[in-house]
Amino acid sequence: AQKITQTQPGMFVQEKEAVTLDCTYDTSDPSYGLFWYKQPSSGEMIFLIYQGSYDQQNATEGRYSLNFQKARKSANLVISASQLGDSAMYFCAMRVINTGTASKLTFGTGTRLQVTL
Amino acid sequence: DVKVTQSSRYLVKRTGEKVFLECVQDMDHENMFWYRQDPGLGLRLIYFSYDVKMKEKGDIPEGYSVSREKKERFSLILESASTNQTSMYLCASSRRQGRNKLFFGSGTQLSVL
Repeated sequence: AQKITQTQPGMFVQEKEAVTLDCTYDTSDPSYGLFWYKQPSSGEMIFLIYQGSYDQQNATEGRYSLNFQKARKSANLVISASQLGDSAMYFCAMRVINTGTASKLTFGTGTRLQVTL
Repeated sequence: DVKVTQSSRYLVKRTGEKVFLECVQDMDHENMFWYRQDPGLGLRLIYFSYDVKMKEKGDIPEGYSVSREKKERFSLILESASTNQTSMYLCASSRRQGRNKLFFGSGTQLSVL
């Protein structure tokens, strides 16, 4: 079975600073994808970034980057130059490919990020 | 704008009632999912569907059933609502191929009294 672990229930960061949100995963399947989603207080789930298990380079999307360390099974999200609008819940998720019928995402428990002035 | 639409943002029901949560997507996605979100537990998969009339149990299917009669619509049914089913319910859809990125609805906050 697949498992995602987010050990930081809450984090604080000052505006304009960088912050790292931790995510570790567990799977025996060699082919998988890792996702990060943001959930502001409005409740919508916003896709941020994706990393495939065979991707040679760490994924980046604007101020978001994914620090992918395959041997350690970690996929930490790095947000550079934090903004007040980054305050939200952040979820790490994993999809194991080649599961047959449909590829479902398994989510972690989330990290609530608060950006302060 | 592509969309996943959930019929209600807030719903209050009584214990024992039959509850229907509706979800519609306009992206012609093959896969549709129902998750529930609880504080400290993250998102947990209830049921998913990879084609019309096809469904599979997720991690917490007990007390729920689903229906997918049309490709764009996926319904979650609580046969006899109980207080422990008070939760935020999120519907999502994805393509069968590619990264299978999930597109989410805005959620339904269900309270069972």
